[in-house]
Amino acid sequence: GAVVSQHPSWVICKSGTSVKIECRSLDFQATTMFWYRQFPKQSLMLMATSNEGSKATYEQGVEKDKFLINHASLTLSTLTVTSAHPEDSSFYICSAPKPWGAAWVGETQYFGPGTRLLVL
Amino acid sequence: SQQGEEDPQALSIQEGENATMNCSYKTSINNLQWYRQNSGRGLVHLILIRSNEREKHSGRLRVTLDTSKKSSSLLITASRAADTASYFCATPYNYGQNFVFGPGTRLSVLP
Repeated sequence: GAVVSQHPSWVICKSGTSVKIECRSLDFQATTMFWYRQFPKQSLMLMATSNEGSKATYEQGVEKDKFLINHASLTLSTLTVTSAHPEDSSFYICSAPKPWGAAWVGETQYFGPGTRLLVL
Repeated sequence: SQQGEEDPQALSIQEGENATMNCSYKTSINNLQWYRQNSGRGLVHLILIRSNEREKHSGRLRVTLDTSKKSSSLLITASRAADTASYFCATPYNYGQNFVFGPGTRLSVLP
């Protein structure tokens, strides 16, 4: 079945550096992907919608200049946390909608396994 | 904005007991989904229930949906230690393209 992958699965970086996280749809095309953030013992909160070939749409309160999103191809979206700080430490999860026309079975979104970011 | 709300926030039971988690939502939906997340891991899709369904089963899982009350429940029967995880309900919006997740219920099943 369709799979969404993320790379890296975890990353530790120093404060002030930038970190890039990749989200790939492995056997289907995704014109739209979503980025979520999850703090410990909390739920997933949508950060932004990544649109292939156009600008990302950010949720209220999410700094677009800090969380740069690039959806350069139909199978790849990247999230770059610029000038990361300890408060950016979190679990970042991407998802992609099930392709239109796919069998209406089970879930409607495919989620990546997540990337754990720790900023020291 | 988050529209799903779950209770309890945390639940601790003995192995073999049943676990019930509830989810409430605010707007109209065409389906509701439940996910499981083991500590520090990704999401695992458990079950989807459509707005025209009232109950659905999958193995030891039973999900109900009451659209008049905008609520859903997830029942795990004969729980096992391996069921220890966080459980989230999720409701779609934006023409089903995206989700709003509830705050989750942290289930601990003690051996």
